[in-house]
Amino acid sequence: EAQVTQNPRYLITVTGKKLTVTCSQNMNHEYMSWYRQDPGLGLRQIYYSMNVEVTDKGDVPEGYKVSRKEKRNFPLILESPSPNQTSLYFCASSLWARGQGDTQYFGPGTRLTVL
Amino acid sequence: DQQVKQNSPSLSVQEGRISILNCDYTNSMFDYFLWYKKYPAEGPTFLISISSIKDKNEDGRFTVFLNKSAKHLSLHIVPSQPGDSAVYFCAVAPRGGRNAGNMLTFGGGTRLMVKP
Repeated sequence: EAQVTQNPRYLITVTGKKLTVTCSQNMNHEYMSWYRQDPGLGLRQIYYSMNVEVTDKGDVPEGYKVSRKEKRNFPLILESPSPNQTSLYFCASSLWARGQGDTQYFGPGTRLTVL
Repeated sequence: DQQVKQNSPSLSVQEGRISILNCDYTNSMFDYFLWYKKYPAEGPTFLISISSIKDKNEDGRFTVFLNKSAKHLSLHIVPSQPGDSAVYFCAVAPRGGRNAGNMLTFGGGTRLMVKP
């Protein structure tokens, strides 16, 4: 089954404790992206990757890191989480880096709480 | 300031009637417009889209209208069904640039409740 998977689905952590949220897609997609969803603000793009070893900042990259060492995986790293990073996070992938938004497939989401 | 706004956080509609969800944007450089649907505990899924060269696109019960002069987008669902109850996000993508098509800006979402 074609899908985008994220782990963990739920995470409660404390300020400053490094964490990684994994994202994997099995569709051989070029493009991958991370969003955060906050009430009333919709989804905002954190980072995106056009292909392996090619990453770039989205609208809200502060406090986050990403890497794209393999085509299928795009982990999101919070080196020193803070309470304002409490949010619902979505990973998405798209077949072509230059595609339109209708080709984006989203993972099920990771709900992160930073105390 | 938000570039894409959905001014109604929620909408309640009777089954069989029309649901109209609205979205306003501020930047005339946006070129491609989409609606996503999101159920609880799931990621958003693509519903329907329209490019700036059109003013209407229809797919079954779902129709998207684009009014470029007013910078306004709407989604019509006719007839509404209880299974349509979800959060709907409009999203826009800019013209040009190597990542343009994937660089989506989302509205805040509208929760639609269709009552049986």
